[in-house]
Amino acid sequence: DGGITQSPKYLFRKEGQNVTLSCEQNLNHDAMYWYRQDPGQGLRLIYYSQIVNDFQKGDIAEGYSVSREKKESFPLTVTSAQKNPTAFYLCASSRTVSNQPQHFGDGTRLSIL
Amino acid sequence: QQQVKQSPQSLIVQKGGIPIINCAYENTAFDYFPWYQQFPGKGPALLIAIRPDVSEKKEGRFTISFNKSAKQFSLHIMDSQPGDSATYFCAASMWPGNTPLVFGKGTRLSVIA
Repeated sequence: DGGITQSPKYLFRKEGQNVTLSCEQNLNHDAMYWYRQDPGQGLRLIYYSQIVNDFQKGDIAEGYSVSREKKESFPLTVTSAQKNPTAFYLCASSRTVSNQPQHFGDGTRLSIL
Repeated sequence: QQQVKQSPQSLIVQKGGIPIINCAYENTAFDYFPWYQQFPGKGPALLIAIRPDVSEKKEGRFTISFNKSAKQFSLHIMDSQPGDSATYFCAASMWPGNTPLVFGKGTRLSVIA
């Protein structure tokens, strides 16, 4: 089955640690995205990538970093600079950035110990 | 100009009722309007989408109405069921362009038996 796999489903971070969230897709999509979802806040775009080795900041990129070395993979690192990292993180992909539906993974819930 | 304003924030209807969720936009370059359904702990899933060359689109019990002159579009759920209880997001995208979907803030729908 084609789709997007996010792992792990739950992740705990200690203060001052960086953590990396995994996102893999087998849909052969060029574009990939990371969103943060807080209760009542909707979906906020962190970073997106239109193509391998290219990515752009979204609305709330501070404290996060990404890489896009392979078409299938778009990992997100939540750095210690992100002061309020507890949230539900969603990865998505689409054929192109504009005018196309995005397909979402089932998310990673990150909590601070 | 990049915003999509969604209302209401939450909605409670009786089983069999017809909940209506509304979205409004300013940017006339938007020309793709999808709706997403999200259950707790899951990623959003594409429900139905419309382009501005039609005023209405139906898929099963879900209907999008689109009013280009008013720059508004809405989701209607016919014969709503408790299983439709979820959060619904509208979104918009423009062509041409290299910008991702712009999402509304979401509507939490509860269908009570």
